[in-house]
Amino acid sequence: KAGVTQTPRYLIKTRGQQVTLSCSPISGHRSVSWYQQTPGQGLQFLFEYFSETQRNKGNFPGRFSGRQFSNSRSEMNVSTLELGDSALYLCASSLLAGDVSEQYFGPGTRLTVT
Amino acid sequence: QKEVEQDPGPLSVPEGAIVSLNCTYSNSAFQYFMWYRQYSRKGPELLMYTYSSGNKEDGRFTAQVDKSSKYISLFIRDSQPSDSATYLCAMKGSNYKLTFGKGTLLTVNP
Repeated sequence: KAGVTQTPRYLIKTRGQQVTLSCSPISGHRSVSWYQQTPGQGLQFLFEYFSETQRNKGNFPGRFSGRQFSNSRSEMNVSTLELGDSALYLCASSLLAGDVSEQYFGPGTRLTVT
Repeated sequence: QKEVEQDPGPLSVPEGAIVSLNCTYSNSAFQYFMWYRQYSRKGPELLMYTYSSGNKEDGRFTAQVDKSSKYISLFIRDSQPSDSATYLCAMKGSNYKLTFGKGTLLTVNP
């Protein structure tokens, strides 16, 4: 069974631009969660989608948004990029919403904002 | 005070040593406790998941939770070079949100 895949793996953007990251969950998984990982703040929850609906959201500004498609694939968008948005963005999938006991992470997208 | 505190290390031990990794937390609403292992350039991988005080063992790994002290530990016995990674503790209450420690970088030297 294929794992969680994220594209692209690396990305360099300029301040003020926007970016879209993609996550394909494990086949059959309907929940996708997004996390931001930085050296200073560690791993922080962004949001969770289940059956195309945002179920939960972390404490991030509205510049961070996401969506989920009918095939469970998810995208995350960050608008008006800031230097502090440089981070590893991880997505994780699970069969059920909020099921962290069976949640699998992808390898992440490394975003650098210059 | 941060909700979850974890010593970032780095921690360097010889092969075969017993490793002890620890986290403290302040939110008494946390009910579920996890340990993740993250290799360089990879996503975190769930190692241990527990929801009660006490010990849970899985092979060379033992997770310990003390809710009265708000303290959790992960012990690795007979550590191997392949255990070299960053170890993250994480906690969750009755809601959806996972709160992570910042991770401890462990190096096991052959």
